[in-house]
Amino acid sequence: DAGVIQSPRHEVTEMGQEVTLRCKPISGHNSLFWYRQTMMRGLELLIYFNNNVPIDDSGMPEDRFSAKMPNASFSTLKIQPSEPRDSAVYFCASSLPAGINTGELFFGEGSRLTVL
Amino acid sequence: GENVEQHPSTLSVQEGDSAVIKCTYSDSASNYFPWYKQELGKRPQLIIDIRSNVGEKKDQRIAVTLNKTAKHFSLHITETQPEDSAVYFCAASRPGGKLIFGQGTELSVKP
Repeated sequence: DAGVIQSPRHEVTEMGQEVTLRCKPISGHNSLFWYRQTMMRGLELLIYFNNNVPIDDSGMPEDRFSAKMPNASFSTLKIQPSEPRDSAVYFCASSLPAGINTGELFFGEGSRLTVL
Repeated sequence: GENVEQHPSTLSVQEGDSAVIKCTYSDSASNYFPWYKQELGKRPQLIIDIRSNVGEKKDQRIAVTLNKTAKHFSLHITETQPEDSAVYFCAASRPGGKLIFGQGTELSVKP
Protein backbone atom coordinates (compact mmCIF):
# COMPACT_ATOMS: atom_id res chain seq x y z
CA ASP A 1 0.00 0.00 0.00
CA ALA A 2 1.24 3.49 -0.82
CA GLY A 3 0.13 4.87 2.51
CA VAL A 4 -1.90 8.03 3.02
CA ILE A 5 -1.47 10.29 0.01
CA GLN A 6 -1.76 14.05 0.28
CA SER A 7 -1.61 16.76 -2.34
CA PRO A 8 -0.25 19.26 -2.92
CA ARG A 9 2.94 18.80 -0.89
CA HIS A 10 3.60 22.52 -0.97
CA GLU A 11 1.36 25.45 -1.76
CA VAL A 12 2.12 29.14 -1.76
CA THR A 13 -0.82 31.43 -2.25
CA GLU A 14 -1.90 34.98 -1.62
CA MET A 15 -4.24 36.14 1.08
CA GLY A 16 -7.85 35.87 -0.01
CA GLN A 17 -7.33 32.95 -2.37
CA GLU A 18 -9.11 29.63 -2.01
CA VAL A 19 -6.98 26.66 -0.99
CA THR A 20 -7.98 23.02 -1.40
CA LEU A 21 -5.97 20.23 0.18
CA ARG A 22 -6.59 16.63 -0.80
CA CYS A 23 -6.19 13.29 0.91
CA LYS A 24 -6.47 9.64 -0.07
CA PRO A 25 -6.55 7.37 3.00
CA ILE A 26 -5.15 3.86 3.15
CA SER A 27 -7.56 1.38 1.55
CA GLY A 28 -9.66 -0.34 4.21
CA HIS A 29 -9.25 2.43 6.77
CA ASN A 30 -12.59 3.93 7.73
CA SER A 31 -11.47 6.79 9.96
CA LEU A 32 -9.88 9.92 8.53
CA PHE A 33 -8.41 12.84 10.42
CA TRP A 34 -7.21 16.31 9.44
CA TYR A 35 -4.55 17.86 11.69
CA ARG A 36 -2.81 21.23 11.49
CA GLN A 37 0.74 21.63 12.78
CA THR A 38 2.37 24.93 13.75
CA MET A 39 5.26 25.78 16.03
CA MET A 40 2.98 27.69 18.38
CA ARG A 41 0.07 25.25 18.69
CA GLY A 42 1.62 21.89 17.85
CA LEU A 43 -0.63 19.21 16.31
CA GLU A 44 -4.25 20.33 16.39
CA LEU A 45 -7.12 18.07 15.35
CA LEU A 46 -9.37 19.99 12.97
CA ILE A 47 -11.97 17.37 12.06
CA TYR A 48 -12.39 13.62 11.78
CA PHE A 49 -14.66 11.29 9.83
CA ASN A 50 -15.88 7.75 10.48
CA ASN A 51 -17.30 5.94 7.44
CA ASN A 52 -17.28 9.24 5.50
CA VAL A 53 -19.42 10.98 8.14
CA PRO A 54 -17.99 13.98 10.04
CA ILE A 55 -17.95 13.05 13.74
CA ASP A 56 -16.24 16.00 15.39
CA ASP A 57 -15.44 19.31 13.74
CA SER A 58 -14.96 21.27 16.95
CA GLY A 59 -11.35 21.93 16.01
CA MET A 60 -12.17 23.74 12.76
CA PRO A 61 -11.00 27.28 13.44
CA GLU A 62 -13.80 29.19 11.78
CA ASP A 63 -16.27 29.21 8.92
CA ARG A 64 -13.49 29.78 6.42
CA PHE A 65 -12.54 26.13 6.88
CA SER A 66 -14.61 23.27 5.51
CA ALA A 67 -13.95 19.56 4.97
CA LYS A 68 -15.70 16.89 2.97
CA MET A 69 -15.39 13.17 2.46
CA PRO A 70 -17.57 12.23 -0.52
CA ASN A 71 -16.39 8.61 -0.51
CA ALA A 72 -14.14 6.22 1.39
CA SER A 73 -11.08 7.03 -0.68
CA PHE A 74 -11.06 10.80 -0.84
CA SER A 75 -11.29 13.84 1.41
CA THR A 76 -10.73 17.57 0.96
CA LEU A 77 -9.96 20.41 3.33
CA LYS A 78 -10.84 23.81 1.93
CA ILE A 79 -9.91 27.27 3.19
CA GLN A 80 -11.78 30.18 1.67
CA PRO A 81 -10.64 32.91 1.90
CA SER A 82 -7.14 32.08 3.11
CA GLU A 83 -5.24 34.30 5.56
CA PRO A 84 -1.53 34.47 6.51
CA ARG A 85 -2.29 32.92 9.92
CA ASP A 86 -3.46 29.76 8.11
CA SER A 87 0.15 29.06 7.13
CA ALA A 88 0.99 25.64 8.57
CA VAL A 89 1.57 22.01 7.68
CA TYR A 90 -1.72 20.19 7.26
CA PHE A 91 -1.62 16.44 7.89
CA CYS A 92 -4.20 13.90 6.90
CA ALA A 93 -4.22 10.58 8.79
CA SER A 94 -6.27 7.41 8.62
CA SER A 95 -6.87 4.42 10.88
CA LEU A 96 -8.47 0.98 10.82
CA PRO A 97 -12.15 0.33 11.63
CA ALA A 98 -12.94 0.37 15.34
CA GLY A 99 -13.45 -3.37 15.58
CA ILE A 100 -9.86 -4.11 14.62
CA ASN A 101 -8.46 -0.74 15.49
CA THR A 102 -5.00 -0.83 16.98
CA GLY A 103 -5.46 2.89 17.54
CA GLU A 104 -2.51 3.73 15.30
CA LEU A 105 -2.87 6.73 13.05
CA PHE A 106 -1.07 6.57 9.71
CA PHE A 107 -0.09 10.05 8.61
CA GLY A 108 0.41 11.38 5.12
CA GLU A 109 3.50 13.42 4.32
CA GLY A 110 1.63 16.66 4.88
CA SER A 111 0.77 19.72 2.82
CA ARG A 112 2.86 22.77 3.66
CA LEU A 113 0.74 25.87 3.12
CA THR A 114 2.16 29.37 2.97
CA VAL A 115 -0.27 32.27 2.68
CA LEU A 116 1.41 35.56 1.78
CA GLY B 1 -12.39 19.51 27.45
CA GLU B 2 -9.68 16.95 26.82
CA ASN B 3 -6.15 18.17 27.33
CA VAL B 4 -2.69 16.60 27.22
CA GLU B 5 0.27 18.38 28.78
CA GLN B 6 3.81 17.36 27.82
CA HIS B 7 7.15 18.21 29.43
CA PRO B 8 9.84 19.22 28.79
CA SER B 9 9.47 21.11 25.52
CA THR B 10 13.16 20.62 24.75
CA LEU B 11 15.60 18.03 26.02
CA SER B 12 19.29 17.71 25.29
CA VAL B 13 21.26 14.61 26.33
CA GLN B 14 24.64 13.08 25.62
CA GLU B 15 24.79 9.98 23.47
CA GLY B 16 24.40 6.93 25.67
CA ASP B 17 22.41 8.72 28.37
CA SER B 18 18.73 8.14 29.07
CA ALA B 19 15.90 10.51 28.14
CA VAL B 20 12.54 10.77 29.87
CA ILE B 21 9.50 12.67 28.59
CA LYS B 22 6.40 13.05 30.72
CA CYS B 23 2.74 13.66 29.93
CA THR B 24 -0.42 14.22 31.90
CA TYR B 25 -3.97 13.96 30.61
CA SER B 26 -7.26 15.36 31.83
CA ASP B 27 -9.90 12.92 30.53
CA SER B 28 -10.20 10.07 33.03
CA ALA B 29 -11.98 7.97 30.36
CA SER B 30 -8.82 7.90 28.22
CA ASN B 31 -7.59 4.36 27.68
CA TYR B 32 -5.08 4.56 24.83
CA PHE B 33 -1.72 6.35 25.04
CA PRO B 34 0.56 6.33 21.99
CA TRP B 35 3.88 8.04 21.39
CA TYR B 36 4.85 9.41 17.98
CA LYS B 37 8.26 10.40 16.66
CA GLN B 38 8.58 13.12 14.05
CA GLU B 39 11.88 13.69 12.32
CA LEU B 40 12.56 17.07 10.75
CA GLY B 41 10.37 17.61 7.70
CA LYS B 42 8.76 14.19 8.03
CA ARG B 43 5.42 12.81 9.16
CA PRO B 44 4.74 11.66 12.74
CA GLN B 45 5.14 7.89 13.14
CA LEU B 46 4.05 5.63 15.97
CA ILE B 47 6.92 4.23 18.03
CA ILE B 48 5.13 2.66 20.98
CA ASP B 49 1.71 2.67 22.63
CA ILE B 50 0.10 1.47 25.83
CA ARG B 51 -3.45 0.75 26.89
CA SER B 52 -4.95 1.40 30.30
CA ASN B 53 -4.96 -2.24 31.36
CA VAL B 54 -1.15 -2.27 31.32
CA GLY B 55 1.24 -0.34 33.56
CA GLU B 56 4.42 -0.66 31.50
CA LYS B 57 5.47 -1.72 28.03
CA LYS B 58 8.96 -2.08 26.61
CA ASP B 59 10.35 -2.40 23.10
CA GLN B 60 14.14 -2.63 22.95
CA ARG B 61 15.50 0.76 24.05
CA ILE B 62 12.14 2.46 24.53
CA ALA B 63 9.59 1.95 27.27
CA VAL B 64 6.38 3.60 28.34
CA THR B 65 4.89 3.68 31.83
CA LEU B 66 1.33 4.58 32.80
CA ASN B 67 -0.09 5.69 36.12
CA LYS B 68 -3.87 5.84 35.66
CA THR B 69 -4.53 7.08 39.17
CA ALA B 70 -2.35 10.11 38.68
CA LYS B 71 -3.19 10.38 34.96
CA HIS B 72 0.50 10.40 34.06
CA PHE B 73 2.42 8.51 31.40
CA SER B 74 6.05 8.68 30.41
CA LEU B 75 8.41 7.70 27.60
CA HIS B 76 11.84 6.37 28.50
CA ILE B 77 14.64 6.03 25.96
CA THR B 78 17.80 4.31 27.14
CA GLU B 79 21.24 4.32 25.51
CA THR B 80 20.27 7.26 23.32
CA GLN B 81 21.80 7.57 19.86
CA PRO B 82 22.04 10.59 17.52
CA GLU B 83 19.30 9.08 15.33
CA ASP B 84 16.92 9.39 18.28
CA SER B 85 17.03 13.15 17.77
CA ALA B 86 13.50 14.22 16.76
CA VAL B 87 10.31 15.70 18.15
CA TYR B 88 8.32 13.27 20.28
CA PHE B 89 4.58 13.61 20.83
CA CYS B 90 2.47 11.89 23.42
CA ALA B 91 -1.27 11.49 22.89
CA ALA B 92 -4.36 10.18 24.60
CA SER B 93 -7.81 9.06 23.55
CA ARG B 94 -10.91 7.51 25.07
CA PRO B 95 -12.55 4.42 23.48
CA GLY B 96 -13.67 5.27 19.97
CA GLY B 97 -12.63 8.86 20.50
CA LYS B 98 -10.25 11.31 18.93
CA LEU B 99 -6.52 11.39 19.61
CA ILE B 100 -5.37 14.50 21.45
CA PHE B 101 -1.66 15.27 21.19
CA GLY B 102 0.69 16.93 23.63
CA GLN B 103 2.75 19.92 22.54
CA GLY B 104 5.83 17.87 21.67
CA THR B 105 9.35 17.51 23.03
CA GLU B 106 12.34 18.28 20.86
CA LEU B 107 15.02 15.75 21.80
CA SER B 108 18.60 16.43 20.83
CA VAL B 109 21.18 13.67 21.31
CA LYS B 110 24.72 15.03 21.16
CA PRO B 111 27.45 12.66 19.97
